[in-house]
Amino acid sequence: AQSVAQPEDQVNVAEGNPLTVKCTYSVSGNPYLFWYVQYPNRGLQFLLKYITGDNLVKGSYGFEAEFNKSQTSFHLKKPSALVSDSALYFCAVRPPGGAGNMLTFGGGTRLMVKP
Amino acid sequence: DSGVTQTPKHLITATGQRVTLRCSPRSGDLSVYWYQQSLDQGLQFLIQYYNGEERAKGNILERFSAQQFPDLHSELNLSSLELGDSALYFCASSVGRSIAQETQYFGPGTRLLVL
Repeated sequence: AQSVAQPEDQVNVAEGNPLTVKCTYSVSGNPYLFWYVQYPNRGLQFLLKYITGDNLVKGSYGFEAEFNKSQTSFHLKKPSALVSDSALYFCAVRPPGGAGNMLTFGGGTRLMVKP
Repeated sequence: DSGVTQTPKHLITATGQRVTLRCSPRSGDLSVYWYQQSLDQGLQFLIQYYNGEERAKGNILERFSAQQFPDLHSELNLSSLELGDSALYFCASSVGRSIAQETQYFGPGTRLLVL
């Protein structure tokens, strides 16, 4: 069965500094990987996804993620954090094959960006 | 705004009762997904419908059921409610044509509180 781990419950960053939110996965075959962000009292917003091709994926709001197959990781990054980036971030995996398109989510990482 | 709508936003009910959550997908999307977000279980996939038919099932309790109607809106029915069913219930939708690579777009959720 597939699984996703987000090893950090919370990440604290100063505004203007680079940020990284970590994600590792366990799935057979080549996975499809996603990042979503959840602001308070809002639904999940799609940030970016990796399907195939270039290991560096660029997404919304200046975020990017790097797929590393050997380390089974898909870390989310941003060169310069904003206070408005403070939110809950979820990594998700969709394994290849099989019926349906369900996503398996990690436990979430709360990002706090301080001015 | 993802284009996915969910009603009601909030629902307070008592144990043993039955409730219905409603979801309207984005225009043109054929797949609808239901997820449950709770503090102890995190974000969990419940069920997927594609063009009116059940496509995949996750950790959905037998007390829960769902359907997708000809106009593609979906309802999630929760019966014999227990305190532990208190959670945020999300609906998501996707186009449904290229299953594996699709992005799911989430609605704002329905917050259910069972007293």
